[in-house]
Amino acid sequence: DAGITQSPRHKVTETGTPVTLRCHQTENHRYMYWYRQDPGHGLRLIHYSYGVKDTDKGEVSDGYSVSRSKTEDFLLTLESATSSQTSVYFCAISFTGETEAFFGQGTRLTVV
Amino acid sequence: GQQVMQIPQYQHVQEGEDFTTYCNSSTTLSNIQWYKQRPGGHPVFLIQLVKSGEVKKQKRLTFQFGEAKKNSSLHITATQTTDVGTYFCAAGSARQLTFGSGTQLTVLP
Repeated sequence: DAGITQSPRHKVTETGTPVTLRCHQTENHRYMYWYRQDPGHGLRLIHYSYGVKDTDKGEVSDGYSVSRSKTEDFLLTLESATSSQTSVYFCAISFTGETEAFFGQGTRLTVV
Repeated sequence: GQQVMQIPQYQHVQEGEDFTTYCNSSTTLSNIQWYKQRPGGHPVFLIQLVKSGEVKKQKRLTFQFGEAKKNSSLHITATQTTDVGTYFCAAGSARQLTFGSGTQLTVLP
């Protein structure tokens, strides 16, 4: 497996609290992605990054922000968690936007 | 990003039967990728198709990219219990990778 580590792997948080998920890679890939996975919806892109400090929104970006201050780290922040953000979050990396993506193990987030 | 529709959403087959999942787009795709996700796991890359009409095989799996590059299919011959999981297609562009909703395959022994 590619060197991708997501942390934490599981988290339960209360509505209204901020939450940060971390994705760390050791592959030096330029592209990093955050997806959420919900039953019936597949994998939906939240935000992506194409370089340090270069990020852009995906199709479900409302309520989320990201930062990438180093090549290896891509952080996803839920500003004020809501129950609708209960999901499994996957980080992925790729060499370019048109090459295969490697996924992390996922973070299961529950907002109560 | 490009949108891709995937059907069916679920498929139950008896072990030994064939299985096919389809991926369709209203726009021309530059490439299509296929991933497999085992229950409780993360998506794992299977293959990428780039050329119009391209066909690639991996053992019992056959992948096709349509002539117009707007659709693709994954066919599994003689399914086995190890094929259980969700199969996703994904459309790659310069910066984004957009996934279909997936087909969840159940193989009954």
